[in-house]
Amino acid sequence: DAKTTQPPSMDCAEGRAANLPCNHSTISGNEYVYWYRQIHSQGPQYIIHGLKNNETNEMASLIITEDRKSSTLILPHATLRDTAVYYCIVRIIQGAQKLVFGQGTRLTINP
Amino acid sequence: GAVVSQHPSRVICKSGTSVKIECRSLDFQATTMFWYRQFPKQSLMLMATSNEGSKATYEQGVEKDKFLINHASLTLSTLTVTSAHPEDSSFYICSAWTSGGAETQYFGPGTRLLVL
Repeated sequence: DAKTTQPPSMDCAEGRAANLPCNHSTISGNEYVYWYRQIHSQGPQYIIHGLKNNETNEMASLIITEDRKSSTLILPHATLRDTAVYYCIVRIIQGAQKLVFGQGTRLTINP
Repeated sequence: GAVVSQHPSRVICKSGTSVKIECRSLDFQATTMFWYRQFPKQSLMLMATSNEGSKATYEQGVEKDKFLINHASLTLSTLTVTSAHPEDSSFYICSAWTSGGAETQYFGPGTRLLVL
């Protein structure tokens, strides 16, 4: 699976949009981009995933560049409860494949 | 989303004893589950892939005789930490894929193990 690069930490003001970048320059054509987050002392929570089109759900939006070498997770109106470590992972969807976690981005939402 | 549960959520045991952790998929069947371990301030590290009805596949460096995995049904996988030592103290997390056109991996809430 392709390697991802994320900033180690970010801050965002409550109520503002939080934009979390992820670089995956070696991504293959059949690899999806997944985002998870982990709030302290809990299991990771699935947020969203996509292949090449932008995706939106009730939690967030995923913007993937046209060359697919990077993506941005957008939390439109961040709340204090969005403080967590956010992981960007790329992998193929072919059977039940494992997810390999990097170090992620520690996002802190400030009041 | 799909629900994965773990039991117990927290366990304290004496050094040398064995501890069993259960992972259940509550509203879907999972032929494959995964076990991760997470030390403080670190990311999740995959330990093994649990396959229903067959032997688990362990990641490099993970002792299969120490971390016994049993996946006896489509909704239950167990991880047994045998002869636990203080260095085995960690946060253990399981996960499973759903399928059917919306492939997503869901994680359990984790089990915190403290070995005294």
